[in-house]
Amino acid sequence: SYVLTQPPSVSVAPGKTARITCGGNNIGSKSVHWYQQKPGQAPVLVIYYDSDRPSGIPERFSGSNSGNTATLTISRVEAGDEADYYCQVWDSSSDLVVFGGGTKLTVL
Amino acid sequence: EVQLVESGGGLVQPGGSLRLSCAASGFTFSSYAMSWVRQAPGKGLEWVSAISGSGGSTYYADSVKGRFTISRDNSKNTLYLQMNSLRAEDTAVYYCAKTTRRGEPHSAAFDIWGQGTMVTVSS
Repeated sequence: SYVLTQPPSVSVAPGKTARITCGGNNIGSKSVHWYQQKPGQAPVLVIYYDSDRPSGIPERFSGSNSGNTATLTISRVEAGDEADYYCQVWDSSSDLVVFGGGTKLTVL
Repeated sequence: EVQLVESGGGLVQPGGSLRLSCAASGFTFSSYAMSWVRQAPGKGLEWVSAISGSGGSTYYADSVKGRFTISRDNSKNTLYLQMNSLRAEDTAVYYCAKTTRRGEPHSAAFDIWGQGTMVTVSS
């Protein structure tokens, strides 16, 4: 089955840039979606189809996808960005949805 | 306002059954594929099941295949998850999620989520 690998944690100082990676075999050929989840809340879609931003999501959030790695980039990080982030794809070979294990973003 | 509201969670004994419901409003429910996603306490997100807009196609994670059944009533704008033969490892918050795709759920993102309903499987 298809596996998505994320680093368990990423730390960044306020105002700096955070990059959260999502690794998978030839993930560049798939559409990758990213979710933000704060404690006690439902996930929120922040990037879809690799790099599109839903309405209401700040331009500071961007995404890219190529080769074996997709990346969520958060520019000018704020304290309010502290959350768990998950990547997700549809694995067409098995017709299943796959989530990455999640990355906890800590703002120092 | 686009909204999803889950209900039906609770405490159930191992081997028991439970049916979750998800009431949708604010969008053309019958047009969109829908899904269930769960999250065990302190763990990450795990996809459970998906269904096409018409209800004609269904998809399941290996961990629930043969035990869970997803369905929808487009006349009532409601999504369901029938859960049988429940196990301790099914304990989780269950979220209903709308996909970004009309029809089939392939390659879709989940753009609207409910608040979740807690299912606890324990004796």
